[in-house]
Amino acid sequence: DIQMTQSPSSVSASVGDRVTITCRASQGISSWLAWYQQKPGKAPKLLIYAASSLQSGVPSRFSGSGSGTDFTLTISSLQPEDFATYYCQQANSFPQTFGQGTKVEIK
Amino acid sequence: QVQLVESGGGVVQPGGSLRLSCAASGFTFSSYGMHWVRQAPGKGLEWVAFIRYDGSNKYYADSVKGRFTISRDNSKNTLYLQMNSLRAEDTAVYYCAKDQATVTTYLGSDYWGQGTLVTVSS
Repeated sequence: DIQMTQSPSSVSASVGDRVTITCRASQGISSWLAWYQQKPGKAPKLLIYAASSLQSGVPSRFSGSGSGTDFTLTISSLQPEDFATYYCQQANSFPQTFGQGTKVEIK
Repeated sequence: QVQLVESGGGVVQPGGSLRLSCAASGFTFSSYGMHWVRQAPGKGLEWVAFIRYDGSNKYYADSVKGRFTISRDNSKNTLYLQMNSLRAEDTAVYYCAKDQATVTTYLGSDYWGQGTLVTVSS
């Protein structure tokens, strides 16, 4: 099975900050990586698919990059509504696996 | 609009069984692969199972293989998860999720249900 490792596990940031989250796959997954945002008590929301494609309706301050084993999610200017937990997921092969999550907290 | 509504969660004793349902509407259910994903209290997301649009292929996480069965009834626009031999570690909110694309599962899940809580406890 492919293991997904996110870092950091949590980050404290202020409104307007640039935030970068990384995700590493234990083996190559081409570009088949998705990023989700989850707020407490809510279902996950798809932000980025195929590593760098912005899901419809998602603000352009979110961007994704990477291929192979190393990927990043960047929030260019953190907004109050962005405080949440973020997960990467590899969609290259079954079992599809998630990273352990990165909690973005208010500084 | 797309809606996924899970039901069937509840409290069950260890070793017991439960069947979850996910009623889909607002899209052509029979054209999309579907997933179950769970989240234990205070923990991260865990992918559980997937079924192709026509039910021809099914995949499972190692943690549930042999105990859980995913199925679908395209005539009823409904996804199911039959859970047998339940353990305390299966306690979680269970979400159903829709593949974004019809022909591939590579592009993530664009719609999710609200989740249904399964509690395994004596």
